[in-house]
Amino acid sequence: EAQVTQNPRYLITVTGKKLTVTCSQNMNHEYMSWYRQDPGLGLRQIYYSMNVEVTDKGDVPEGYKVSRKEKRNFPLILESPSPNQTSLYFCASSLTSGNAYEQYFGPGTRLTVT
Amino acid sequence: AQSVSQHNHHVILSEAASLELGCNYSYGGTVNLFWYVQYPGQHLQLLLKYFSGDPLVKGIKGFEAEFIKSKFSFNLRKPSVQWSDTAEYFCAAYTGSARQLTFGSGTQLTVLP
Repeated sequence: EAQVTQNPRYLITVTGKKLTVTCSQNMNHEYMSWYRQDPGLGLRQIYYSMNVEVTDKGDVPEGYKVSRKEKRNFPLILESPSPNQTSLYFCASSLTSGNAYEQYFGPGTRLTVT
Repeated sequence: AQSVSQHNHHVILSEAASLELGCNYSYGGTVNLFWYVQYPGQHLQLLLKYFSGDPLVKGIKGFEAEFIKSKFSFNLRKPSVQWSDTAEYFCAAYTGSARQLTFGSGTQLTVLP
């Protein structure tokens, strides 16, 4: 089954404690991206990757890092989480950047930073 | 930079009522437009998309949207909503130059049985 998976689905952590949210897709997609969803703000892109070892900032990259060492995985790293990063996070992938409109979304990770 | 506006933040309707959700975008060039739906606790799913041609596009579950270039609008419509349509709806725009999907802030639709 074609899918995007994220782990964990729920996470409560404390300020400053480094964390990683994993994202994996099994569709051999080149393009992957991370979004955060906040009430009244919709989805905002954090980072995206057009292929292995190629990443770039989205609209709200501050406080986040990503890596793309393998095509299927695109982890999101919060080196020092802060309460304003409490949000719902979605990973997405598409065949290429030219198909970025037709993205498959993961189930979401709800992060709470206290 | 492109932007997408959804002015209805929360819409409450009774079953069988007609629905229209507004979406406006700001971009002067060629733009592709989409509506996504997010059911409670689930991830986003594509409802419909507009690339070119007939400005009235039909999507899944009886939804349709009309692209009006002169008004920079892409409103979502459904003649008769059902309780199961309760969800959050997002309008989105994509331009080849930005290679980015820009989302509106979303509209929460609640359909009362």
